[in-house]
Amino acid sequence: DAGVTQSPTHLIKTRGQQVTLRCSPKSGHDTVSWYQQALGQGPQFIFQYYEEEERQRGNFPDRFSGHQFPNYSSELNVNALLLGDSALYLCASSLGRRGSPLHFGNGTRLTVT
Amino acid sequence: QKEVEQDPGPLSVPEGAIVSLNCTYSNSAFQYFMWYRQYSRKGPELLMYTYSSGNKEDGRFTAQVDKSSKYISLFIRDSQPSDSATYLCAMSAEVYGNKLVFGAGTILRVKS
Repeated sequence: DAGVTQSPTHLIKTRGQQVTLRCSPKSGHDTVSWYQQALGQGPQFIFQYYEEEERQRGNFPDRFSGHQFPNYSSELNVNALLLGDSALYLCASSLGRRGSPLHFGNGTRLTVT
Repeated sequence: QKEVEQDPGPLSVPEGAIVSLNCTYSNSAFQYFMWYRQYSRKGPELLMYTYSSGNKEDGRFTAQVDKSSKYISLFIRDSQPSDSATYLCAMSAEVYGNKLVFGAGTILRVKS
């Protein structure tokens, strides 16, 4: 039973560039959420996708956007990268918008130089 | 003030010790409380899930919630070196909600 998979595992970008991170949910799950985890901090909620639409959003600027595909996989896009965007980006999946616990992937480590 | 406060540690204990991990919170809307374990270079793994006040036990782990004090705890009995990890508390106003609010995490080291 495949868990949540994320790619790439590591990424180095320069300030001002754009980045796309990818996530495949756990088999049977249809909802994807994205979290940002800065070093030494807990994860912070970015947004949730369900039925290919953004359903909830945390306190992140519009530079952060996403997409969910018909096969439930998802992408996180970040434009105009800042040094402060350096973090571990975690994808979590669940069944339905409510009613099941979140399963996290191992994340993508993004470094902005 | 952060919505969820958690002592970052590190907390270092000998093998076999009882470990107590704690979080306080300020948002009275939180109804659902979770503890996650995160090993280095891995994603968080759900350990315990509790609703409202009370205790829940699962093997060596006991989760405790005191909503009147806005205080939650995780106890680990007979701690093992394999328990060495970062422990994150998380909370939500929705059942199994996707919008979790996490504490900063406590680093636990169990020495053999």
